Amino acid sequence: AQSVTQLGSHVSVSEGALVLLRCNYSSSVPPYLFWYVQYPNQGLQLLLKYTTGATLVKGINGFEAEFKKSETSFHLTKPSAHMSDAAEYFCAVSGGTGFQKLVFGTGTRLLVSP
Amino acid sequence: DTAVSQTPKYLVTQMGNDKSIKCEQNLGHDTMYWYKQDSKKFLKIMFSYNNKELIINETVPNRFSPKSPDKAHLNLHINSLELGDSAVYFCASSQGFQGDTIYFGEGSWLTVV
Repeated sequence: AQSVTQLGSHVSVSEGALVLLRCNYSSSVPPYLFWYVQYPNQGLQLLLKYTTGATLVKGINGFEAEFKKSETSFHLTKPSAHMSDAAEYFCAVSGGTGFQKLVFGTGTRLLVSP
Repeated sequence: DTAVSQTPKYLVTQMGNDKSIKCEQNLGHDTMYWYKQDSKKFLKIMFSYNNKELIINETVPNRFSPKSPDKAHLNLHINSLELGDSAVYFCASSQGFQGDTIYFGEGSWLTVV
């Protein structure tokens, strides 16, 4: 079975500060890893994903994440937070044979203050 | 054009009623999903269909019945609604292969009173 742990249900940063959202996964097979963002009262939008190849993955809106197999981590970062980044962020994992099934973490609410 | 669209967006209904949520995708994907997001924002898969065939059926009460008339549509029917069914239900689609991007609809906010 696969699982995802997101440390910190809430993360607060100031505008312009570094954003770091943590995600650790558990998987007995090579994982595929995803970060999704959910703005209030909206659906989920893909920020970025890791499948194979380069372990540093760049996504939309200036976000990036690095797959570290030894640490079973896929932390999300952005060098400089913007007010519009305030949202809920979800890390998810899939993998193995058979049809795809995303397993989500519990989410992290990012708060950005002026 | 909206890629994954679901209706209604908001639904308030009484306990014991039966309701349906409809979903359509215009991405040409073979696989569609229903996910449930509870009041704590936790997202969990309920069902998945590939080319109209049920392929994933998580531990969901049999009051929930998905139906896929064709691969572009996946509807969710809920019988005898209970207070605990109050949640946001997301429809999604993808090609179904491991690592594919899953595209989500805007969600349907169901409140049972």
